[in-house]
Amino acid sequence: GQNIDQPTEMTATEGAIVQINCTYQTSGFNGLFWYQQHAGEAPTFLSYNVLDGLEEKGRFSSFLSRSKGYSYLLLKELQMKDSASYLCAVRDPGGGADGLTFGKGTHLIIQP
Amino acid sequence: DGGITQSPKYLFRKEGQNVTLSCEQNLNHDAMYWYRQDPGQGLRLIYYSQIVNDFQKGDIAEGYSVSREKKESFPLTVTSAQKNPTAFYLCASSPTGIGSNQPQHFGDGTRLSIL
Repeated sequence: GQNIDQPTEMTATEGAIVQINCTYQTSGFNGLFWYQQHAGEAPTFLSYNVLDGLEEKGRFSSFLSRSKGYSYLLLKELQMKDSASYLCAVRDPGGGADGLTFGKGTHLIIQP
Repeated sequence: DGGITQSPKYLFRKEGQNVTLSCEQNLNHDAMYWYRQDPGQGLRLIYYSQIVNDFQKGDIAEGYSVSREKKESFPLTVTSAQKNPTAFYLCASSPTGIGSNQPQHFGDGTRLSIL
């Protein structure tokens, strides 16, 4: 089966750095996505990792270790608008659809 | 601007009633998906379609039905057989299905409640 784990909730301070972890156990692996979702809105795509290493995109970076089944999303220079849920999703070629399985999401709260 | 349009934004269902949620995309994407999101839960796949006139059940298809008569449209019907339909429904699309590195793009969602 497929299992994706993320912390349920995290709190961080405006201007600081926060790391959101995601671990996964899937029968296959063909990429990992991070999405941001504000309450009551659509998820929006943040990053994609398929090879080991760090992908940097402005204030957001995402890291992948396939051997450890582990990824993290790093948010720098936190702003109040970063308060949202962050969804980790793994693409498993053996799964249905395009094999995309979502974690339950991490609710990030930014404090002044 | 290209995108995915879901309507209505809010929908109320009476007991025993079927309701249909609309999803239209002008991104020229082949694949389309329906997800259900409950509080504290991840997105769960209801149905997906990789090509016109073809669709497959996802993990929680019972009580739902879909059609894919046009590439742009993938409506979802919540039937009276779905006993717990209150949820946030998200439609998504992507350029291709299995094996693609392209992300899924989401609509703004429809919030369905029971009267």
